Amino acid sequence: DGGITQSPKYLFRKEGQNVTLSCEQNLNHDAMYWYRQDPGQGLRLIYYSQIVNDFQKGDIAEGYSVSREKKESFPLTVTSAQKNPTAFYLCASSINGLLSSGNTIYFGEGSWLTVV
Amino acid sequence: AQSVTQLGSHVSVSEGALVLLRCNYSSSVPPYLFWYVQYPNQGLQLLLKYTTGATLVKGINGFEAEFKKSETSFHLTKPSAHMSDAAEYFCAVSDDLYNQGGKLIFGQGTELSVKP
Repeated sequence: DGGITQSPKYLFRKEGQNVTLSCEQNLNHDAMYWYRQDPGQGLRLIYYSQIVNDFQKGDIAEGYSVSREKKESFPLTVTSAQKNPTAFYLCASSINGLLSSGNTIYFGEGSWLTVV
Repeated sequence: AQSVTQLGSHVSVSEGALVLLRCNYSSSVPPYLFWYVQYPNQGLQLLLKYTTGATLVKGINGFEAEFKKSETSFHLTKPSAHMSDAAEYFCAVSDDLYNQGGKLIFGQGTELSVKP
């Protein structure tokens, strides 16, 4: 089945550790996104990538890093510099970065990150 | 800058009653508007979207929304609520005209409860 796969579903991080969330898509989409969701605050954009080997910061990029070495993969690293990383993280993709009438952003199932 | 306001963080209706979830947006250019639904611990699923053309948009699961430019609104409705409609609903806006990577700006979300 085509779709977006995020792993792991649940992840625990100790203070001072970096952790990486995986996002893989087999939809042949050019554009990929990472959003963070906190209760009562909706979703906020962390990073996005419109094409391989290129990515841009979103609204809350501090403390996060990404790479886009392959079209189907867009991993997110939560670094120790992120002061409040406990949240639900959602990866998404679209055919390209233009939301024209035939284009839609599709979401993965999300990953829960908890700092312990 | 674009923004989205969802009126009411929690809405409760009886099964069979009308569902009305309110969304107002701010955008300096003609917007693309979206409604997504999220079930607990899952990703977001697109309900419907408005890009151009007919202002009354029909989506999945019997939902529809009407784009009203004069009121800067995009309210979501369903004539008769079902227990399975209980979820969180997000309104989102995108300004794609400046090729900003197809990013979405989300509202804070509205949790819909359906009483038997």
